[in-house]
Amino acid sequence: NSKVIQTPRYLVKGQGQKAKMRCIPEKGHPVVFWYQQNKNNEFKFLINFQNQEVLQQIDMTEKRFSAECPSNSPCSLEIQSSEAGDSALYLCASSLWTGVSNERLFFGHGTKLSVL
Amino acid sequence: AQRVTQVQPTGSSQWGEEVTLDCSYETSEYFYRIFWYRQLFSGEMVFLIYQPSFDTQNQRSGRYSVVFQKSFKSISLVISASQPEDSGTYFCALSEPPSNYNVLYFGSGTKLTVEP
Repeated sequence: NSKVIQTPRYLVKGQGQKAKMRCIPEKGHPVVFWYQQNKNNEFKFLINFQNQEVLQQIDMTEKRFSAECPSNSPCSLEIQSSEAGDSALYLCASSLWTGVSNERLFFGHGTKLSVL
Repeated sequence: AQRVTQVQPTGSSQWGEEVTLDCSYETSEYFYRIFWYRQLFSGEMVFLIYQPSFDTQNQRSGRYSVVFQKSFKSISLVISASQPEDSGTYFCALSEPPSNYNVLYFGSGTKLTVEP
């Protein structure tokens, strides 16, 4: 069973509504990633954090998406104004990344967002 | 542009057969890694095996092994003695640390069905 916990498993929103999902990384993992997987199995990297600091994020993330990883609280990804094209599986992953190593990502079950 | 290509959208085998899933990728980095993940029906991505670019030896892990053809930028996942529980979607992913903070570029996956 995955040790990366994502909630909720399913999220249904209307267009224009906020959509928020949470992720608890595996214990001791300082690095957290968010990916979007659409129905065609196309993955899009959204953002990653090391502890509370953003490492990288794509342009889309900067505009309608916001994310944070506060200390001692779950990480979260929020879509400010959902669009139909945001319907996807949102995967959270964590790792022990130390720069150059054989680090692998540990994934959660994902949050399936449906925007009606 | 697609960085990772999996040209087989689906595959099938009978219980006990060896299965080969193909993947090709594009990179200009000297150091990179190729990961293989299986996505369960729950959405969770499960790590199977990885191949570092600097290692000319094909990696093995249990029933999983890879055939790494670095000069052709291709890599195949080989599953020996396939079982119905191996059914799922298999993703190949490219990582180019440390330049991109361990972000994974995924292929579009191969959905494998293993018949009992």
